[in-house]
Amino acid sequence: EADIYQTPRYLVIGTGKKITLECSQTMGHDKMYWYQQDPGMELHLIHYSYGVNSTEKGDLSSESTVSRIRTEHFPLTLESARPSHTSQYLCASRDRATDTQYFGPGTRLTVL
Amino acid sequence: AQSVTQPDIHITVSEGASLELRCNYSYGATPYLFWYVQSPGQGLQLLLKYFSGDTLVQGIKGFEAEFKRSQSSFNLRKPSVHWSDAAEYFCAVGAMTGNQFYFGTGTSLTVIP
Repeated sequence: EADIYQTPRYLVIGTGKKITLECSQTMGHDKMYWYQQDPGMELHLIHYSYGVNSTEKGDLSSESTVSRIRTEHFPLTLESARPSHTSQYLCASRDRATDTQYFGPGTRLTVL
Repeated sequence: AQSVTQPDIHITVSEGASLELRCNYSYGATPYLFWYVQSPGQGLQLLLKYFSGDTLVQGIKGFEAEFKRSQSSFNLRKPSVHWSDAAEYFCAVGAMTGNQFYFGTGTSLTVIP
């Protein structure tokens, strides 16, 4: 079982605020991902990383940015939150040996 | 184009009844296939996966899935559903060489006593 953590679990914030969603994993996985999940929709990949100092945008256009300064840490930042950013954000890491993604518990973000 | 289709948005079954959740995929390379379960307010938990070999794979919590290449399907089954199985189920497809996984829209399972 993988250990991957996300904080905060729930966040309600006003429009225009800067926020950072935290994601950490303790398995030493190189590949990490951020997904956006809305009810009744498939998970949309918004960012991924193959390792330290490697980040790429996913298929879904996003106004967020990510960084990967350490293997275990993959934070996502919104410089100016808007109501359209209201969603659940899921972080995942990928085990190279089993080629399986493991997910964190998610952050449910509400922007008023 | 890569895609995953879960045709059933919502399924209701009685406790003790059998369950089958459908998944069809479109993928250009040899697919790796996954089923995840998500309880309310939680992340996704891996139920089972198929990479190669025996097309019937066993997972956790008594679930199994069968890969049928000719039908591009990977249906999830359980012989006897428990109330605790009520959750959202996601099918996903990916590949070793790919940079992402593709998920279906999910099937919401309700279990009635």
